[in-house]
Amino acid sequence: KAGVTQTPRYLIKTRGQQVTLSCSPISGHRSVSWYQQTPGQGLQFLFEYFSETQRNKGNFPGRFSGRQFSNSRSEMNVSTLELGDSALYLCASSLGGGSMEGYTFGSGTRLTVV
Amino acid sequence: AQSVTQLDSQVPVFEEAPVELRCNYSSSVSVYLFWYVQYPNQGLQLLLKYLSGSTLVKGINGFEAEFNKSQTSFHLRKPSVHISDTAEYFCAVSDNYKLSFGAGTTVTVRA
Repeated sequence: KAGVTQTPRYLIKTRGQQVTLSCSPISGHRSVSWYQQTPGQGLQFLFEYFSETQRNKGNFPGRFSGRQFSNSRSEMNVSTLELGDSALYLCASSLGGGSMEGYTFGSGTRLTVV
Repeated sequence: AQSVTQLDSQVPVFEEAPVELRCNYSSSVSVYLFWYVQYPNQGLQLLLKYLSGSTLVKGINGFEAEFNKSQTSFHLRKPSVHISDTAEYFCAVSDNYKLSFGAGTTVTVRA
């Protein structure tokens, strides 16, 4: 079956702009999580959604937001982009998002802010 | 909060030699531990996970890990590596609908 699909794969934006990233989970998976990966900070948790409800949120400014639709697809939005937002953004899905499950990751969206 | 520490940032190893990647965790409650691998320009792939039961966990591609509660460790091992094992490896702990990752260990396999 199809894996986790993230679009677009690459994105270049200018400081001050906003960006929306998309994630389609594995069919049947209802939990979607987002992570930011940078060389300096490593992998950091952004937020997790299950059945359109945010259940946990990482320590990121309010410029980072997300949502989940009824078909479990998720989007994350970053407003007023800063140079430091340049990163690989990874989406992961799981059946229920519980601690006992592994998460399946997408290939990521590489965002470059110039 | 639960956290993991990967003790080696880089591990060079020759092809067909064994490799061990070290991971320590901190938690006062039951833990669910994972090892992921990331190849260049790709996402993360699950190698194996420990939930409970046997402390020796076998994963994909010949990897295995041993959970040691007294030493709060979850080290990853492979008896004989291949060039294709060159990648970055992440140890992670799961809690409250999120994964907390270590800083990663870059494994470089040389012929």
